[in-house]
Amino acid sequence: NAGVTQTPKFRVLKTGQSMTLLCAQDMNHEYMYWYRQDPGMGLRLIHYSVGEGTTAKGEVPDGYNVSRLKKQNFLLGLESAAPSQTSVYFCASSYRWDRGGNQPQHFGDGTRLSIL
Amino acid sequence: QQQVKQSPQSLIVQKGGISIINCAYENTAFDYFPWYQQFPGKGPALLIAIRPDVSEKKEGRFTISFNKSAKQFSLHIMDSQPGDSATYFCAAPLEAAGNKLTFGGGTRVLVKP
Repeated sequence: NAGVTQTPKFRVLKTGQSMTLLCAQDMNHEYMYWYRQDPGMGLRLIHYSVGEGTTAKGEVPDGYNVSRLKKQNFLLGLESAAPSQTSVYFCASSYRWDRGGNQPQHFGDGTRLSIL
Repeated sequence: QQQVKQSPQSLIVQKGGISIINCAYENTAFDYFPWYQQFPGKGPALLIAIRPDVSEKKEGRFTISFNKSAKQFSLHIMDSQPGDSATYFCAAPLEAAGNKLTFGGGTRVLVKP
């Protein structure tokens, strides 16, 4: 059982380039999330999805786009990368809230992204 | 602006000692307070969680203490072990009846043998 899988694990981009981060989960979770982790800032929610075909903005959505065409996949896109987007990106998934209160989030192992 | 403020940023404790991490929040609508543990190179994983209708919850060597009037909650790691060396995050839900979380800034714990 793989859980949450993120690809790639590492990437270096030049300013202005675009890329897509891939997240896949095999736990049949309804909800999926993208976070960025920066030193001293904890994890900040970028975008999230409560189901296939639906996405919504989190705390820090600017400069990112997402898509959830299939229940098991959640894509994070950077259209024009900026040095301020250098970070470690984590994807997470969980069951929906009404399955019984607050559901734990299951995280992938992250993508370390550097933008020069 | 972080809705959950966590301290200290880092701490070093001897094996067998007690590690204490504190979190403060402003939004009194928060009704669920999880703690996540993260090892280097890995994603966070849920460690323990508490609701504000109880003042304390214990799971093994990990205890959450909750002070509703002070709007604070703390994680205590008793008999700290080198394997507890990790970064710990407190969190709270961004909205009622939802699973979105806002996280504290994290505390890096190093347990020396």
